[in-house]
Amino acid sequence: SAVISQKPSRDICQRGTSLTIQCQVDSQVTMMFWYRQQPGQSLTLIATANQGSEATYESGFVIDKFPISRPNLTFSTLTVSNMSPEDSSIYLCSVGEGAGAFFGQGTRLTVV
Amino acid sequence: DQQVKQNSPSLSVQEGRISILNCDYTNSMFDYFLWYKKYPAEGPTFLISISSIKDKNEDGRFTVFLNKSAKHLSLHIVPSQPGDSAVYFCAANYGKLTFGQGTILTVHP
Repeated sequence: SAVISQKPSRDICQRGTSLTIQCQVDSQVTMMFWYRQQPGQSLTLIATANQGSEATYESGFVIDKFPISRPNLTFSTLTVSNMSPEDSSIYLCSVGEGAGAFFGQGTRLTVV
Repeated sequence: DQQVKQNSPSLSVQEGRISILNCDYTNSMFDYFLWYKKYPAEGPTFLISISSIKDKNEDGRFTVFLNKSAKHLSLHIVPSQPGDSAVYFCAANYGKLTFGQGTILTVHP
């Protein structure tokens, strides 16, 4: 198993600003995943973060809007840039895959 | 195009009765299906899974059924308990996980 600490747990931000979300894992992992859940929608994969290389983004998500850092095997950050109200969502980091996937508690972001 | 759908946003069940949560999918390439449970202010946690080559998997009070011809997945909880009240997500795997929207289950004492 893995213990994932994600922060902040929630934030209210002004439009046009940026927020960086941090994800810390208690063990070394090769891949970390960032998801978004918009209100009433499913969990959607934003990108996969690999240590030592650029993140791989899913269709509909771009690096300029969601830059990701992965400085080591236990830590990653996701930045939501130039925020608009449409970015109001829960953002989750995850490690592992399938039955072995573990999630952080999520960051509830409200953009006003 | 949503490949995994949970059409019931919520479900309310009496304690001791059966809870049935449903999930439909469109991509026949999915090879593995999972259910996750999420409590408020916590991340989703893995509950139970089923391979596409099976039609049933049971783990205690939880049973997942897969109907490949109908592209339909269901989770049965019996007997339901108040502690089962949570959001349940189904997910399908084909290289990556694709999630449904979630169903809020409320089990009343």
